[in-house]
Amino acid sequence: KAGVTQTPRYLIKTRGQQVTLSCSPISGHRSVSWYQQTPGQGLQFLFEYFSETQRNKGNFPGRFSGRQFSNSRSEMNVSTLELGDSALYLCASSTRGGTYNEQFFGPGTRLTVL
Amino acid sequence: AQSVTQLGSHVSVSEGALVLLRCNYSSSVPPYLFWYVQYPNQGLQLLLKYTTGATLVKGINGFEAEFKKSETSFHLTKPSAHMSDAAEYFCAGDSNAGGTSYGKLTFGQGTILTVHP
Repeated sequence: KAGVTQTPRYLIKTRGQQVTLSCSPISGHRSVSWYQQTPGQGLQFLFEYFSETQRNKGNFPGRFSGRQFSNSRSEMNVSTLELGDSALYLCASSTRGGTYNEQFFGPGTRLTVL
Repeated sequence: AQSVTQLGSHVSVSEGALVLLRCNYSSSVPPYLFWYVQYPNQGLQLLLKYTTGATLVKGINGFEAEFKKSETSFHLTKPSAHMSDAAEYFCAGDSNAGGTSYGKLTFGQGTILTVHP
């Protein structure tokens, strides 16, 4: 099976712009979670989508949003970019079945805001 | 709210020596716990997980961890370090396992493991 893929891998934007990141989960996985990784704050949960619905949300401002499509692919959007949004954005997928299923992570998108 | 604490942001060992990376959790209910490894410019790879059952969990690449409820710990060990083990390691937990918080992991701050020849 192919792993979790994220596009693009690297992105450079300027303050005030918006950005959209894409995540394709492992085939058959219906849950996609997003995380932000920075040197100062570490790994922080953004949100999780399952069956096209946001099920969980972390403590991030409304500038961070996401969505999930019927094929389970997910996108996250950050509007009005700030310097502090520079980070590695990771998505993870899981089956979210009856017993606990671990999350499988993609390689991440490195966002740099200038 | 759950928290995960990793003691020591940097650990340095010699090749062939024991690796011990410490993780403590704080939760009102026994959590599901995980160890992930991250190599430079890559995502996270699952090393092992504790959900239910046996408290000594074996993972990939010779790593194992023991869930100790009395100590609220989930330390990661490997008997003999290899140069290829050099990476950053993250302990993570999900305190609402079985509830409605699937997909939300709380991570420790990470421990960078350096292996000297």
